[in-house]
Amino acid sequence: ILNVEQSPQSLHVQEGDSTNFTCSFPSSNFYALHWYRWETAKSPEALFVMTLNGDEKKKGRISATLNTKEGYSYLYIKGSQPEDSATYLCASRNNAGNMLTFGGGTRLMVKP
Amino acid sequence: DSGVTQTPKHLITATGQRVTLRCSPRSGDLSVYWYQQSLDQGLQFLIQYYNGEERAKGNILERFSAQQFPDLHSELNLSSLELGDSALYFCASSPAGGAQTQYFGPGTRLLVL
Repeated sequence: ILNVEQSPQSLHVQEGDSTNFTCSFPSSNFYALHWYRWETAKSPEALFVMTLNGDEKKKGRISATLNTKEGYSYLYIKGSQPEDSATYLCASRNNAGNMLTFGGGTRLMVKP
Repeated sequence: DSGVTQTPKHLITATGQRVTLRCSPRSGDLSVYWYQQSLDQGLQFLIQYYNGEERAKGNILERFSAQQFPDLHSELNLSSLELGDSALYFCASSPAGGAQTQYFGPGTRLLVL
């Protein structure tokens, strides 16, 4: 059974601050790591899928890195805006099956 | 809008009852996944179907079952409902499986009284 952990659980930042959070996952039998952005009352929105060690993906002000050897991924947000306020979920998939195992999420609140 | 639709949006029912949740995947997607989000837990994978066949099973109770029809829509059946089954149920779809992105629907909020 995979155990995916995210830290911190919640984060308050000021508009314009850059921030990052961590997703830890078991590195054995790793297959893929997904990041999602989940706003209240909406459905989780896919941000990135990463598979290779050293992968780095970017979408606007948001970027993510992946270290499969040590089992962690970082999500970075540059110059946070109030509209970035959401819960950011990571999910890991191993090569033993198709299921995604989600972390508990990091709740980001950006104050104007 | 992810292109995945789920009905109903909200459902209120009583303990012991049976309900059916419906999901239509994005056009062209063959895989459908069901997840449960309870108050005290993160998103939990329940089951996956691929082109009509069950592909993977997670923490799905025996009282729950699912199927995927020839038109690729899927239904999740929850029976003998208990208070603890109250949760947000999400459906997601992807073109196939593997490392592909899963696109989530808006969810069905189930309240069991």
